[in-house]
Amino acid sequence: DAGVIQSPRHEVTEMGQEVTLRCKPISGHNSLFWYRQTMMRGLELLIYFNNNVPIDDSGMPEDRFSAKMPNASFSTLKIQPSEPRDSAVYFCASSSPGQGLARSDTQYFGPGTRLTVL
Amino acid sequence: AQSVAQPEDQVNVAEGNPLTVKCTYSVSGNPYLFWYVQYPNRGLQFLLKYITGDNLVKGSYGFEAEFNKSQTSFHLKKPSALVSDSALYFCAVRDGQKLVFGAGTILRVKS
Repeated sequence: DAGVIQSPRHEVTEMGQEVTLRCKPISGHNSLFWYRQTMMRGLELLIYFNNNVPIDDSGMPEDRFSAKMPNASFSTLKIQPSEPRDSAVYFCASSSPGQGLARSDTQYFGPGTRLTVL
Repeated sequence: AQSVAQPEDQVNVAEGNPLTVKCTYSVSGNPYLFWYVQYPNRGLQFLLKYITGDNLVKGSYGFEAEFNKSQTSFHLKKPSALVSDSALYFCAVRDGQKLVFGAGTILRVKS
């Protein structure tokens, strides 16, 4: 299995530009999570999906952030317009809920996208 | 709400010595606890988890964790540290379908 795939790995853009981050979850996983990691705030959950449906977007910082999951194998996180304070590493993770005692929702993370907004 | 705390920002240990990275939890109900490791410029890698059963959980790379209900702790341990174990370690607890992560502990293993 290729694991969770994210692209691009690095993104440098100027303030005001639109940024789109992409994620392909592990095949067969039905939950997908977007996180942001910064030195100041640590690891923050932005939004997560179950079966392509957004369940909890309370972590999305502002209306400038939006996320979609048009199908089970693809999700995007968009920032429009971007600001320097959006600079961070953005991670995507996926999980499969399992059954009974195996229900633990272990999340598997992608390598991340390092975003720099100048 | 479920939460975890990692009381140490950094742990230093000599290669070959045992290591412990601490985690305490606060939950309502039964805790589902996890440890992840993050190497520089990499994503988080799953190490191990506790759901139920044996209080000593074995995971990847020789790591294990001890669940202690009376002390509400889930400390990560390894009998003999390697320089290559140097990384950032996160404890996490399941909250509904989400994971709530601690702030992380930097582990430095010196040769």
